[in-house]
Amino acid sequence: EPEVTQTPSHQVTQMGQEVILRCVPISNHLYFYWYRQILGQKVEFLVSFYNNEISEKSEIFDDQFSVERPDGSNFTLKIRSTKLEDSAMYFCASSESGGKNIQYFGAGTRLSVL
Amino acid sequence: RKEVEQDPGPFNVPEGATVAFNCTYSNSASQSFFWYRQDCRKEPKLLMSVYSSGNEDGRFTAQLNRASQYISLLIRDSKLSDSATYLCVVIVYNFNKFYFGSGTKLNVKP
Repeated sequence: EPEVTQTPSHQVTQMGQEVILRCVPISNHLYFYWYRQILGQKVEFLVSFYNNEISEKSEIFDDQFSVERPDGSNFTLKIRSTKLEDSAMYFCASSESGGKNIQYFGAGTRLSVL
Repeated sequence: RKEVEQDPGPFNVPEGATVAFNCTYSNSASQSFFWYRQDCRKEPKLLMSVYSSGNEDGRFTAQLNRASQYISLLIRDSKLSDSATYLCVVIVYNFNKFYFGSGTKLNVKP
């Protein structure tokens, strides 16, 4: 069964450092998403991406965040200058089309900012 | 007001019990509804979509009440493996983002 893959599974970084989280969406999917889940809290939408541009973003997705699809398969989330409160699980998801289509999630990257 | 609200639980039930969760949503323009399941420290996985007429998948039944703006999930004959957090997910038409509820935790005991 096709799946969304994310690397690394766990990323540890120092406060103020830049991190890049990587995702390989399901190959025929066109819409890509990033979510985060702080430990013990709910899953929160960050951003959606379609046709090489951001289609929606939340208030959380401020100037320190950026997304990119550098080639035909990878979809990345960059956090420019990490803060302690960025520590969370980051999930990538993809869907065949947008709107009401089902999103499939990767296993997540646990980001720990020290 | 939160987009999606759920009772956090936990619901502690014995094996074989029937259990039901509700989830309310605030945006009347909401068009699509899902139940996802999340095991501890794992990714959300789709359990089932929720259709206007209600739908069933084995032991699981989902219902939508648009007038009262809630969806429900009924689990019959609970198994130990049903222990998880159940996430209500709502999307508003034409928006490419999902609104997640905080989840309802279910513990099925032997």
